[in-house]
This record gives sequence, structure tokens and C-alpha cells, in this order.
Amino acid sequence: DIQMTQSPSSLSASVGDRITITCRASQSVSSYLNWYQQKPGKAPKLLIYGVSSLQSGVPSRFSGSGSGTDFTLTISSLQPEDFATYYCQQSYSPPWTFGQGTKVEIK
Amino acid sequence: QVHLQESGPGLVKPSETLSLTCTVSGGSVSSGGFYWSWIRQSPGKGLEWIGYIYYTGNTNNNPSLKSRVTISVDTSKNEFSLKMDSVTAADTAVYYCARMGQHLVRGCFDIWGQGTLVTVSS
Repeated sequence: DIQMTQSPSSLSASVGDRITITCRASQSVSSYLNWYQQKPGKAPKLLIYGVSSLQSGVPSRFSGSGSGTDFTLTISSLQPEDFATYYCQQSYSPPWTFGQGTKVEIK
Repeated sequence: QVHLQESGPGLVKPSETLSLTCTVSGGSVSSGGFYWSWIRQSPGKGLEWIGYIYYTGNTNNNPSLKSRVTISVDTSKNEFSLKMDSVTAADTAVYYCARMGQHLVRGCFDIWGQGTLVTVSS
């Protein structure tokens, strides 16, 4: 199985901050890397697919980059509704696997 | 707009079978290009993909769950189901059904149900 490792596990930030979350795969996943946002008590929501394509309705302050084994999710200006947990997921090779999550908290 | 809704018992006894159904509304489970998946989330193991089924009945399951999992589809009811045998406390989790398609990128889950908590306990 491909292991997905996110860092940091949590971070504290303020509204308006720029934040970056990193996801590393144990082997190349090419461009098959997706990002999800999850709020407490809710299902994950697809934010970005194929490394950098924004899902419909997702604000442009979210962006993704990377290739191979190293990927990043960036929020350019953190908004109150962005405080949540973020997960990366590889869809290169089944079994599809997720990172352990990065919790973004209010400073 | 496609909507997914999980249903099933919230409490299952150890060694028994967990059974959940996902009802699809606003779209058809028989739509080509979409794979209907089950994913679970527990504090200990995070998000774990369980498996998926295509409307033709083709399935692909996570080997970590070995042969305990059966996923089926009922196109006449527009729903798909999960059965997991011989459950233990480690199977306690929130279970989600989700749609996976090729229309965005292979293997991403673009629509999720709200999730249902299943507790394994006597």
C-alpha cells in the first residue's frame, strides 16, 4: 500500500494568514493526488483533485501543487470557515489511501 | 444534484455481520463512469477506503479487510450495500458511502453521504 504522510499534524493560524500543508507519498503517485476538507461531524468534502484542479465551488484561495511524491495545499488568506481538518488522498494505485490529516486551528 | 444516504444498524455485536445500505438520489447508480464506494473513519486508523462497486457488479476491495467485505448493488432500488463479517471492536467507525468517478480524476471521491456511526459492542 502507498503510505501518505502529512505535516504538520496540526497548526494554529490567524484569519488572513497564508498556510501550507505538506503531503508525502511513500512512492510516486504521479498526479493522482486529491485534497479534502472535513469539519466536525461532517463528511469530507473534495477540495482539489489531480494535484491542482479546484473542485467546483471551491474558493480560489485554495491551491495545490507538487508531483511524484511531494505535494502541498496552500490557503492564501485563511478565512473563518477554513478552520477544519485537511486530508490528502492518493488515487494512483488501489487501495486508495489517505493521509492522517492536518487540523487547522484558530490562533 | 446527486445525494447519498447511509442507513443501517448503529450497534452490532462482536462476531456478527455489519450491514449498511447507501441510497442514491438525484442520479442513477447505473450511470456509467461512476464507482460506488464505502469508506470508514475511526480515531485509530483515520480514513480507510473499504471498497467500491460498479453498476455491472464489478468490485474492488481493500485487501486489508480480506474476505470479510461484500459490496453489492441493486440497480432497481438505486442503492448499494456493504456487508462486513466477523466484526470486532476495531470495526467501530463512522461509515461513509461515496461516489468515485473518472470525470474529474481517477479515484477521487466527489460526493459523500453524511456518514453513519457503527459501534461494535456486546
